Amino acid sequence: GQQLNQSPQSMFIQEGEDVSMNCTSSSIFNTWLWYKQDPGEGPVLLIALYKAGELTSNGRLTAQFGITRKDSFLNISASIPSDVGIYFCAGQSKGNKLVFGAGTILRVKS
Amino acid sequence: DTGVSQDPRHKITKRGQNVTFRCDPISEHNRLYWYRQTLGQGPEFLTYFQNEAQLEKSRLLSDRFSAERPKGSFSTLEIQRTEQGDSAMYLCASSPYRGLEAFFGQGTRLTVV
Repeated sequence: GQQLNQSPQSMFIQEGEDVSMNCTSSSIFNTWLWYKQDPGEGPVLLIALYKAGELTSNGRLTAQFGITRKDSFLNISASIPSDVGIYFCAGQSKGNKLVFGAGTILRVKS
Repeated sequence: DTGVSQDPRHKITKRGQNVTFRCDPISEHNRLYWYRQTLGQGPEFLTYFQNEAQLEKSRLLSDRFSAERPKGSFSTLEIQRTEQGDSAMYLCASSPYRGLEAFFGQGTRLTVV
């Protein structure tokens, strides 16, 4: 089945640093979504991408839909303590279901 | 609050018992999804409704699992004869008819002992 490879698995960074994480797949996706999940809560949608090459920002977050439609990245600039959590990429190809990566755990040292 | 609502938030049950979870989607959203998430993994798709019609089911959804959305509004997910392997977070999400962004509820954490 379709799988998303998300990297890195975890990051431990200094407050104020920029963060970059990405997702790759052997399959083509029509939509890429990025979510953040706090412990014991459901994922919260951060950014949605619909077109190959699309670059979208949401505050300090920037995400891009890869030209090949097989990858996407998420950047967080000037990280702050509340950025801590697990970040998931999700892709949609056929039908309406989303396929999720395994997540990137972000920890921030203040 | 107009987000996706799930009930209960936590459920502990003995192996072999039946459990039922409820999801109330965002009111104007036609599409409703159920996902399951285990520790250290991303959510995995279980099933999808458009209005009251169940249009897609994952192979993960064994015959012990059943989902309904009788009036196209709230949905229920029932697990019969629970097993320890059913322990997970069960997430509900909804999206508008022409949108692909899925908005998730807070989830129901199931522990089977």
